[in-house]
Formats: sequence, C-alpha cells, structure tokens
Amino acid sequence: SYELTQPPSVSVSPGQTARITCSADALPKQFAYWYQQKPGQAPVLVIYKDSERPSGIPERFSGSSSGTTVTLTISGVQAEDEADYYCQSADSSGSGRVFGGGTKLTVL
Amino acid sequence: EVQLVESGGGLVQPGGSLRLSCAASGFTFTTYWMSWVRQAPGKGLEWVANIKQDGSEKYYVDSVKGRFTIFRDNAKNSLYLQMNSLRAEDTAVYYCARDEASFDYWGQGTLVTVSS
Repeated sequence: SYELTQPPSVSVSPGQTARITCSADALPKQFAYWYQQKPGQAPVLVIYKDSERPSGIPERFSGSSSGTTVTLTISGVQAEDEADYYCQSADSSGSGRVFGGGTKLTVL
Repeated sequence: EVQLVESGGGLVQPGGSLRLSCAASGFTFTTYWMSWVRQAPGKGLEWVANIKQDGSEKYYVDSVKGRFTIFRDNAKNSLYLQMNSLRAEDTAVYYCARDEASFDYWGQGTLVTVSS
C-alpha cells in the first residue's frame, strides 16, 4: 500500500523557520496537500497541489516538492502555529486517499 | 457558506451497525466527490471512503472493505456511511469532507464508540 512518512515531532522557537517533510514510498508521486489540526478542531487545508496556498492562509505557510519528498515550511513561526500537521495525497490508483502519520509542531 | 454537518454517531457494541449522515449546504453538492475521514482517539487522520458525484464509483481503505458502505442522496444533499460488523478499532471521530483530491471543507465530526 502507498505510504507517506512524516517525522513525529518538530520543535522551533518563535520567529524561526519550521520545516516538516513528507516522503512518499513510491513513484509516481501524486500532488501533496497539507492540513493543520489544533486540539478539538477539524483539520484545515493550508497547502494544496504541493505549493499552492488557499485564500485566508497566511503567507508564512509555503510548500515545495523535490523527488518523492514534499516539505511544508512555516516562516517566522508564531505561537498560534503550534498544532498537528498532516500531509495527504492520492494513492497509486489516483482514486483512494492516504495521510501521513502526522507531525506535532511545538513552538518553544 | 459551505457547511457539512455530521450526525448519527454514538455507542455501539462490537458486531453492531451504525449509519452516519452528513448534510451538505452552501455549494453544489452534485458536482463534488465526497469522503469520510476518521481519527481514533489520540491518533492521526485516516481516510475511510469516497464516492463520485453520481455515486457510480466508490473506494475504500482496506480495513473497512466489505463492512462499510458509502452512499449519497443528491436530492437531499446528503452523504452517508453505513457501518456494519463494527470493531473496537473503528472507534473514532468520523468527519465528512468535500473531496477535490484534497479536502477543502470538513464537518466538525461525529464520535463513534465501539464497546461492550
């Protein structure tokens, strides 16, 4: 089965840059999407199609792709960015969906 | 404003059945794929199933194949998940989400607890 691998945790100080990676285990790589989830809330889409930002998402959130790895970058991290972040893609058939295991971002 | 409102969760015994509903509003329901996504307590997100606009295609995660059925009623702007032969590991918050390859809108979720 198609898998996406994320680091369990990332820690940064306020104002620094946080980078969260997501590696696919096979080619071809489909587009990746990123979600932010705060405790007790539904997830929110923050990046779509590897690097596009939905309206209303702050510019400090950006995405990039290289080979089979995609990266969510949060520049100038703020305390409010502390949350769980999930990458997501389509599976190898293109019809099913798959999530990475999630990364807990801690703002020190 | 896009709204997705889930209902139907609750406590059910192992081996039992439950039907979840999702009422959609604020967008043209018939033009979108729809999905169910779940999250076990303290765990990550897991995609469960999705369904094409007209209901002609449905896909499931392996762990629910043969037990869960996704369907929709476009006349009622509603999405459903029929869950049979429930197991303890199906305990989770179940979210309804609009599926455009990404999930751009989510409901607030409904909790399903499978326990004796």
